[in-house]
Amino acid sequence: DAGVTQSPTHLIKTRGQQVTLRCSPISGHKSVSWYQQVLGQGPQFIFQYYEKEERGRGNFPDRFSARQFPNYSSELNVNALLLGDSALYLCASSFRQGRSEQYFGPGTRLTVT
Amino acid sequence: AQRVTQPEKLLSVFKGAPVELKCNYSYSGSPELFWYVQYSRQRLQLLLRHISRESIKGFTADLNKGETSFHLKKPFAQEEDSAMYYCALSTGSGNTGKLIFGQGTTLQVKP
Repeated sequence: DAGVTQSPTHLIKTRGQQVTLRCSPISGHKSVSWYQQVLGQGPQFIFQYYEKEERGRGNFPDRFSARQFPNYSSELNVNALLLGDSALYLCASSFRQGRSEQYFGPGTRLTVT
Repeated sequence: AQRVTQPEKLLSVFKGAPVELKCNYSYSGSPELFWYVQYSRQRLQLLLRHISRESIKGFTADLNKGETSFHLKKPFAQEEDSAMYYCALSTGSGNTGKLIFGQGTTLQVKP
């Protein structure tokens, strides 16, 4: 098993554009969470999805949205990009919702210019 | 407020010395705590969780609810332990497995 995979690896966008990041969980895992990691800080929770439903949302503006597909993969969308959205976006999967171990992907590095 | 504090950004020790990475948390409910590690150019990976009470790569961590701490310890540091370490709190409000991370501590083990 390759573990959690994310695409693309790197992305450069300009202010005002929209971006879609993708995540495939570990086989058999039904929950996906998204985190934003700004340089020098720990990851910050954005969303958690389980069985295609949003189960939790962090303190992020409505420009951030996500969804989970029937195969449990997930997309994170960010609209109207700001310079401050530049960060490493991490996806984590877990077998079930709630307090279970989360396994992280390598991340997508987003740079907004 | 739910918060995780790692007071040291950098901890530098010599090989063979004991290591203690500090983690304090703030949470009114029953906490579940984890330590994650990120080696150079690798993804964030789970090192240990408090409920399993295991020792991974020689590291242990004990949850002290009185002091709201979950410090990571190793009696003899190895050079391969050099990495970024994050303490994380799972608040699990309802069925949400939200992790709250500290800012991380870089452990540097010198030869």
